[in-house]
Amino acid sequence: QKEVEQNSGPLSVPEGAIASLNCTYSDRGSQSFFWYRQYSGKSPELIMFIYSNGDKEDGRFTAQLNKASQYVSLLIRDSQPSDSATYLCAVNINNAGNMLTFGGGTRLMVKP
Amino acid sequence: KAGVTQTPRYLIKTRGQQVTLSCSPISGHRSVSWYQQTPGQGLQFLFEYFSETQRNKGNFPGRFSGRQFSNSRSEMNVSTLELGDSALYLCASSKGQGAWETQYFGPGTRLLVL
Repeated sequence: QKEVEQNSGPLSVPEGAIASLNCTYSDRGSQSFFWYRQYSGKSPELIMFIYSNGDKEDGRFTAQLNKASQYVSLLIRDSQPSDSATYLCAVNINNAGNMLTFGGGTRLMVKP
Repeated sequence: KAGVTQTPRYLIKTRGQQVTLSCSPISGHRSVSWYQQTPGQGLQFLFEYFSETQRNKGNFPGRFSGRQFSNSRSEMNVSTLELGDSALYLCASSKGQGAWETQYFGPGTRLLVL
């Protein structure tokens, strides 16, 4: 079993819709969770981080964390074609310094 | 504030050669981590340096090594290159070391081994 899992997609949503991206992790001791966006041929770009159970909102993005169920999700409201990218979930497993374990990423396609 | 910079951006090498990649972190950042990204394995952690000391190491062979200098700049070296080392090598920097630190990635060095 992989330590951080994501559905590879592609997840296709129409423009203006809500895109919901999910991630599960295996280590119950994990404390910090990050979402990165990666456009094709580019490097990952940090979107959000979350440490506490519940929701954290930043503009059109909302990260949700449920430690009991060991999942973290990212909601993108009013999806735009420019949101089309691969979204990477990263977890600091075992609080191991700055070592992040990444999921395989979910490819999001927003259709005009 | 300038972001993370990596040089070179592209590199072509042949099997058996060695390569050195360089990373300059964001000003004021003292931690540098290296990752390898391939289509098959995704993003995998290589190692992390903080205050010139390797703090964590991923599951990679000893051919992969790195170091950090007193100005926080870092280099990674891959010796005896194999075809499977073809990948995007990413450097990420953060202010300090700890589970709550956010890491910012550089543009990467794309290495092709022929």
